[in-house]
Amino acid sequence: GNSVTQMEGPVTLSEEAFLTINCTYTATGYPSLFWYVQYPGEGLQLLLKATKADDKGSNKGFEATYRKETTSFHLEKGSVQVSDSAVYFCALRTIQGAQKLVFGQGTRLTINP
Amino acid sequence: GAGVSQTPSNKVTEKGKYVELRCDPISGHTALYWYRQSLGQGPEFLIYFQGTGAADDSGLPNDRFFAVRPEGSVSTLKIQRTERGDSAVYLCASSSQGARDEQFFGPGTRLTVL
Repeated sequence: GNSVTQMEGPVTLSEEAFLTINCTYTATGYPSLFWYVQYPGEGLQLLLKATKADDKGSNKGFEATYRKETTSFHLEKGSVQVSDSAVYFCALRTIQGAQKLVFGQGTRLTINP
Repeated sequence: GAGVSQTPSNKVTEKGKYVELRCDPISGHTALYWYRQSLGQGPEFLIYFQGTGAADDSGLPNDRFFAVRPEGSVSTLKIQRTERGDSAVYLCASSSQGARDEQFFGPGTRLTVL
């Protein structure tokens, strides 16, 4: 079946630190991969995506590369800011039927000034 | 333009009661999804509409859950005989053409069953 496993949180970093949040997946075929972010008091927002192997998604200084050989899509940012504090969800979109999103359990990130 | 809206934002009910949760998708979006997010978990798929029809309801946990979208726009998720385990945030998402397009999420309805 389809599943996503992501790094357990919470994660606490200082401002300007390097961030990695690990994400691995199990899927039938080659799904599209996503990172969503949920800021405090707000709804889920798409952060970045990659639709095929070796694609790199990027947005707001965040990056993630679709690695077929390791079935991974790790989220990275070189220098985090306090405003990056949020819950981050890794997800895949199934390739058949409804093409629904399958999410990981989320990682809460807190950045201290 | 307006995003996906959901009402109510919070709903508290007693065990055994019936509830309805409403989703207004982005105007013109033909695809609509319901997800459920339990505390500390990621959202889980419930049901997918393409237009007026439920194209995939495989995520509905049991027959107490039902959803409709009679005119291909607004959708209502209906839960009968609520149980404490139904407490969660119910999220709605819509996309413009169908399954391959980006899903835009609403703010959710937080359901608490006492």
